[in-house]
Amino acid sequence: AQSVAQPEDQVNVAEGNPLTVKCTYSVSGNPYLFWYVQYPNRGLQFLLKYITGDNLVKGSYGFEAEFNKSQTSFHLKKPSALVSDSALYFCAVRDVNSGGYQKVTFGIGTKLQVIP
Amino acid sequence: DTEVTQTPKHLVMGMTNKKSLKCEQHMGHRAMYWYKQKAKKPPELMFVYSYEKLSINESVPSRFSPECPNSSLLNLHLHALQPEDSALYLCASSQVTISYEQYFGPGTRLTVT
Repeated sequence: AQSVAQPEDQVNVAEGNPLTVKCTYSVSGNPYLFWYVQYPNRGLQFLLKYITGDNLVKGSYGFEAEFNKSQTSFHLKKPSALVSDSALYFCAVRDVNSGGYQKVTFGIGTKLQVIP
Repeated sequence: DTEVTQTPKHLVMGMTNKKSLKCEQHMGHRAMYWYKQKAKKPPELMFVYSYEKLSINESVPSRFSPECPNSSLLNLHLHALQPEDSALYLCASSQVTISYEQYFGPGTRLTVT
């Protein structure tokens, strides 16, 4: 099965500083990778995805992610953090279930806290 | 319109009740999903419908019964639930090809008493 790992339960960053939320993946074949954000008491919102092409992917709300094949990583980044970026961030990967059907598997999530 | 709507927002039900959750999208997506999410955990996939046909059932107990009446609607019928079924239930939709991102509704907060 394909999987992603988010090694940090929580990331704290000062407002205005750059932020990084880490994700590593384990896949056979070409990885399809996604980042989603969840604000309190809300559903998930899509931020960006890597399918193929440029290793630097730009997404919503000023976020970007760098796909690194040699390090099997797909870290989420933003040059300048906002307090409103505080939320739960999920990395996700295309996976296949036992019946051979494609689905998406989520990492455990990283809570981002931006400190004013 | 990139919105997925879910009703109700909150639901409290006893273990002998029957209730239904509703999800609707008008983005022309032909894949629709039900997820269960516990607090501070990732969403767990329950069911996937592709072209209105059930394609994935992740070994979900039969007390959860999904239904896809048409390409815009997805229901989750609940019967004889257990307290441990209390969670946020999220609906999502996407293009059928897995490379496409999913759009999520705000969820139904379910409490089983």
